[in-house]
Amino acid sequence: GEDVEQSLFLSVREGDSSVINCTYTDSSSTYLYWYKQEPGAGLQLLTYIFSNMDMKQDQRLTVLLNKKDKHLSLRIADTQTGDSAIYFCAEVYTGTASKLTFGTGTRLQVTL
Amino acid sequence: NAGVMQNPRHLVRRRGQEARLRCSPMKGHSHVYWYRQLPEEGLKFMVYLQKENIIDESGMPKERFSAEFPKEGPSILRIQQVVRGDSAAYFCASSGVGPNEQFFGPGTRLTVL
Repeated sequence: GEDVEQSLFLSVREGDSSVINCTYTDSSSTYLYWYKQEPGAGLQLLTYIFSNMDMKQDQRLTVLLNKKDKHLSLRIADTQTGDSAIYFCAEVYTGTASKLTFGTGTRLQVTL
Repeated sequence: NAGVMQNPRHLVRRRGQEARLRCSPMKGHSHVYWYRQLPEEGLKFMVYLQKENIIDESGMPKERFSAEFPKEGPSILRIQQVVRGDSAAYFCASSGVGPNEQFFGPGTRLTVL
């Protein structure tokens, strides 16, 4: 079955690195995504990784994928107050056409 | 290049009324997806449409909910005889070819009184 889990809350100090974790159950995932949602807003696609990759880096963002453990993480370097938001991981997997299955979201709070 | 547009942004309905939510995909996109976000929860897939076709409606409630994406005009998510449990944020996303990148609209926040 489809199940994507995330921890609910993370608090970090400005300037530190944030690591947001996600676990999923379906081993046939093809793409895995990270979205950011600010209060009252829609979802902004941050980055995605194809399932045959282990790592992807894009400026301050690093995505790590451990297929064996079905674990995905998003690292934000030099976290800023503007990074405060809810972060969702999502997957698309073989056989489901194009629907995204989302995690429950991790609320990131950045403190001064 | 305008992004995905949804209207209205906020919609208030009384129980038993109908709600119509509109979504205009990004220019050049022919794939539309609807998701629902209940308070304090993640997004749940509802339906995937291409022009004039419903491709996957596995997430749609069996009754009262319908969706269309006509040849001309926006995609419409229609909820008949709304109940309080329909109160949620409804997001539309669009993509060009395949699921690689779904771009989301700002959402319609439906409140049922």
